[in-house]
Amino acid sequence: SQQGEEDPQALSIQEGENATMNCSYKTSINNLQWYRQNSGRGLVHLILIRSNEREKHSGRLRVTLDTSKKSSSLLITASRAADTASYFCAWGGAAGNKLTFGGGTRVLVKP
Amino acid sequence: DAGITQSPRHKVTETGTPVTLRCHQTENHRYMYWYRQDPGHGLRLIHYSYGVKDTDKGEVSDGYSVSRSKTEDFLLTLESATSSQTSVYFCAISGGDRGPSNQPQHFGDGTRLSIL
Repeated sequence: SQQGEEDPQALSIQEGENATMNCSYKTSINNLQWYRQNSGRGLVHLILIRSNEREKHSGRLRVTLDTSKKSSSLLITASRAADTASYFCAWGGAAGNKLTFGGGTRVLVKP
Repeated sequence: DAGITQSPRHKVTETGTPVTLRCHQTENHRYMYWYRQDPGHGLRLIHYSYGVKDTDKGEVSDGYSVSRSKTEDFLLTLESATSSQTSVYFCAISGGDRGPSNQPQHFGDGTRLSIL
């Protein structure tokens, strides 16, 4: 992508394992967000990290942001079958009113 | 869940016909967005609105127009549909009534549009 990417594109793990996915972007950002999308549904917001923050937690989710490397990671700990979904990062620019989305990571958690 | 309704949920139409998709919100949010989602491209912004009658183009606006005559409704129109516009279309809202700065977007469940 011209603006950023996520890797891996797909991830398959066993229930109970951790899942890590990465996001890279190319512009200056105001904030970076992670979303989950279940099959056939809209995106659901998971977590937002501001450009002056380095790490944020929400339940089993941990997000890191390294603005010097223009990258972020999402860690899902102790994964469950219900975590099976596609995960997208999105970043907001200086104006903060538009988001640009990465291509997503498809996560399959096997019971 | 945020009160966002997209209609129709599914539509099949023919090349050259006009198509209008509707997004309705009950949250009084100022900002509304239309995206399309295609395999290999993630979500791409088509148009967005920052208030009644205030709209702007996104990344892939060619062939699309929008209108917002009321806070709660944001319409996306394909004036003359083409097969390349076959996609899943998502509406999103954000920001409350003071603007979206550093706020998440809330999505509808999408409209699956097929153009034959």
